[in-house]
Amino acid sequence: QVQLVESGGGVVQPGKSVRLSCAGSGFLFPSYGMHWVRQAPGKGLEWVALMSYDGTKIYYGDSVKGRFTISRDNYKNTLYLQMSGLRTEDTAVYYCAKSVFGNHKTVLDSWGQGTLVIVSS
Amino acid sequence: DVQMTQSPSSLSASVGDRVTITCQASQNIYNYLNWYQQKPGKAPKLLIYDASHLEPGVPSRFSGSGSATEYSLTISSLQPEDFATYYCQQYDVLPPSFGQGTKVDVK
Repeated sequence: QVQLVESGGGVVQPGKSVRLSCAGSGFLFPSYGMHWVRQAPGKGLEWVALMSYDGTKIYYGDSVKGRFTISRDNYKNTLYLQMSGLRTEDTAVYYCAKSVFGNHKTVLDSWGQGTLVIVSS
Repeated sequence: DVQMTQSPSSLSASVGDRVTITCQASQNIYNYLNWYQQKPGKAPKLLIYDASHLEPGVPSRFSGSGSATEYSLTISSLQPEDFATYYCQQYDVLPPSFGQGTKVDVK
């Protein structure tokens, strides 16, 4: 079955950087669009970024544009989120999610368990 | 950006109740509307896509309807495992956007 496993979260100081990873298995990773969605403590879901199956379509939410970079390695079946210039408001559980589509369309049928990023001095 | 507004923000219900949650989009989203269920400490789960299509494996007591800017999720007979938070999400326009969530708890 589809499995998505995030890693890389932890406590990071404001202004610093961290890279999240999401390892996919149980499906043909190179065929699907992949997304990052976050959830601040006690809050709702916020879409963060997407990358199409082939990496040609990339989009970011306004709150992370210019600071976060999404990438993927289709040989390693892994999605990444490079987070720079971190702010306290970036504190959240970060989920990677698989779309049913290969392009930018967002129907998220499988999710990882999430990795918690805490931005604090 | 498309704003998604869910109502109510929370509701209390009993097992067996019929529950309806609504989601209003700030513009026509042409049925590009999904519903997710999230339980505490867990990842969201896709229930319904394209406004009314049930994701495989989701119980038939869940249904979705609507068009244009107004959509709804109905649980025909609430079960103990349905107490959770529900989110709508549009994908007609980038960036995709979620509603603020509706928490369904025990009356």
